[in-house]
Amino acid sequence: QTVVTQEPSLTVSPGGTVTLTCASSTGAVTTAYYPNWFQQKPGQAPRALIYTTNNKHSWTPARFSGSLLGGKAALTLSGVQPEDEADYYCLLYYGGAQWGVFGGGTKLTVL
Amino acid sequence: QITLKESGPTLVKPTQTLTLTCTFSGFSFSTGGVGVGWIRQPPGKALEWLALIYWDDDKRYSPSLKSRLTITKDTSKNQVVLTMTNMDPVDTATYYCAHRGARISFDYWGQGALVTVSS
Repeated sequence: QTVVTQEPSLTVSPGGTVTLTCASSTGAVTTAYYPNWFQQKPGQAPRALIYTTNNKHSWTPARFSGSLLGGKAALTLSGVQPEDEADYYCLLYYGGAQWGVFGGGTKLTVL
Repeated sequence: QITLKESGPTLVKPTQTLTLTCTFSGFSFSTGGVGVGWIRQPPGKALEWLALIYWDDDKRYSPSLKSRLTITKDTSKNQVVLTMTNMDPVDTATYYCAHRGARISFDYWGQGALVTVSS
């Protein structure tokens, strides 16, 4: 069974920078996994932030960026705002983008 | 403007079959590359990818749930239906449908529908 692993929780100060990562049990994450990132606040549906590694949706704030880092997919928030406190999920695709697996999520606290 | 909305029972009994409908607007299955997927989230837990159907009726399922899932579409009604057999209390979750465009991203999501499995 394929497992996608994220940090369970991270804390960052307002204005700071934080990087969330997303690892695959199958090995190094590459662009062929089409990494996606989503933000979810309590009681809300997830909101798409990043697709295919580093592409932003039209609504994605500029302070969010996606990349590959050390064999993992990464989401970096630069200049963190209090409203960025949320759960963040990565999604990796397998079998040539045929089916996906979400990570366990990272709870980001802005403190 | 793309919108999606899930509908279906809020309560099902163990061993029953769940049928959920996703009704959408703002796009059509007539457009190449379009897909609609289903994702669920147990209370307080992570998202889980379930199934995806494309404009050309190609279907993809989570390997771990494939034997229990069926996804279909009704192009004329702008609807996608997910059925899950042999429901168990561990299947209690909010079920979301989402639009997948050519960008390989679930870019638009429904509000979600909470389904509780209990006798």
